[in-house]
Amino acid sequence: EAGVAQSPRYKIIEKRQSVAFWCNPISGHATLYWYQQILGQGPKLLIQFQNNGVVDDSQLPKDRFSAERLKGVDSTLKIQPAKLEDSAVYLCASSPLGADTDTQYFGPGTRLTVL
Amino acid sequence: DAKTTQPNSMESNEEEPVHLPCNHSTISGTDYIHWYRQLPSQGPEYVIHGLTSNVNNRMASLAIAEDRKSSTLILHRATLRDAAVYYCILREADYKLSFGAGTTVTVRA
Repeated sequence: EAGVAQSPRYKIIEKRQSVAFWCNPISGHATLYWYQQILGQGPKLLIQFQNNGVVDDSQLPKDRFSAERLKGVDSTLKIQPAKLEDSAVYLCASSPLGADTDTQYFGPGTRLTVL
Repeated sequence: DAKTTQPNSMESNEEEPVHLPCNHSTISGTDYIHWYRQLPSQGPEYVIHGLTSNVNNRMASLAIAEDRKSSTLILHRATLRDAAVYYCILREADYKLSFGAGTTVTVRA
């Protein structure tokens, strides 16, 4: 079974530029998550989708971050404009729908450096 | 968010058992105890989870205290590949995971 795919793996941009990350979850997984992991900290949830609807985006800085999940499969996370403090690893995870199958499967992440 | 407390770091020798403690004194009756680990330069991966009873799988064992206010992840024979950050998380009713800083495990050859 193929895992969660993310691209790019690394990205370096200047502050105030825009950047987008892509995630392809495990086939058939209804729930998709985006996390931000700052160096030395645990991942922090940014947004959770169930199929193509947003379940929770309370931690997403909506003035600069946006995310969408077209057709309930792939997802993109965008930052516009980027700030220095956005330097982090952005992780995508997916899980099947159901109380007993809520294990989250994580992708390798995209490491963003904002200069 | 429910909270857990873990030591910042632990060291072990290769092929010896590792016992990782986690305190969760504010746990509610419906919170599951989940453990994930994160190897260097990778995303977190699921290790094990439980509610009330002790659990075993191919990766580890989870021992849960009778009052559920603490738990211990047991790696029976540590290998160099087990060096990682281990996260103890209370999975609440909305299925969200709130990661803390975790325990960094170092395995000495």
